[in-house]
Amino acid sequence: KAGVTQTPRYLIKTRGQQVTLSCSPISGHRSVSWYQQTPGQGLQFLFEYFSETQRNKGNFPGRFSGRQFSNSRSEMNVSTLELGDSALYLCASSWGAGATYNEQFFGPGTRLTVL
Amino acid sequence: DQQVKQNSPSLSVQEGRISILNCDYTNSMFDYFLWYKKYPAEGPTFLISISSIKDKNEDGRFTVFLNKSAKHLSLHIVPSQPGDSAVYFCAATHRAQGAQKLVFGQGTRLTINP
Repeated sequence: KAGVTQTPRYLIKTRGQQVTLSCSPISGHRSVSWYQQTPGQGLQFLFEYFSETQRNKGNFPGRFSGRQFSNSRSEMNVSTLELGDSALYLCASSWGAGATYNEQFFGPGTRLTVL
Repeated sequence: DQQVKQNSPSLSVQEGRISILNCDYTNSMFDYFLWYKKYPAEGPTFLISISSIKDKNEDGRFTVFLNKSAKHLSLHIVPSQPGDSAVYFCAATHRAQGAQKLVFGQGTRLTINP
């Protein structure tokens, strides 16, 4: 069974631009969560999608948004990029969502560098 | 506000000995705790978890202990092997907030010396 895949793996953008990252979950998984990893803040939860609906949201500005498609693939978008957005963006998929924890499987991440 | 803290950024242990990684949390609503292992250029890999109704969970060489009164959990690896060298993250969640939202610690880099 294929794991979580994320594209692209590396990305370089300049301030003010926008970026879209893609995540394909493990087949059969319906929940996709996004995390940002930076050296200073560690891993921080961005948002979670289940059945094309955002179920949870972290404390990030509105420049960070996401969506999920009917095949459970998810995209996240960051508009008006800032230098501080440079980070590793991780996607995790799990079978279900809601109040019962389902083990999350992480992808390798997309390394975003903002110049 | 760092709700989950790993105060040791790094730890070095000799092969064959016990590795003990520590984690503290402040939110008493957390009811499920996890440990993840991360190698460079890879995403975190789930290692072991524990529910707040338990105080210990064991899986092979890995044991997680939970002390709710102290809001402290620890991961024991016995015996430590070179392949255990990685960054270890503890994470916590609580069902009322939606269990898929994990709050992570900063990570501890474990190095196993031959």
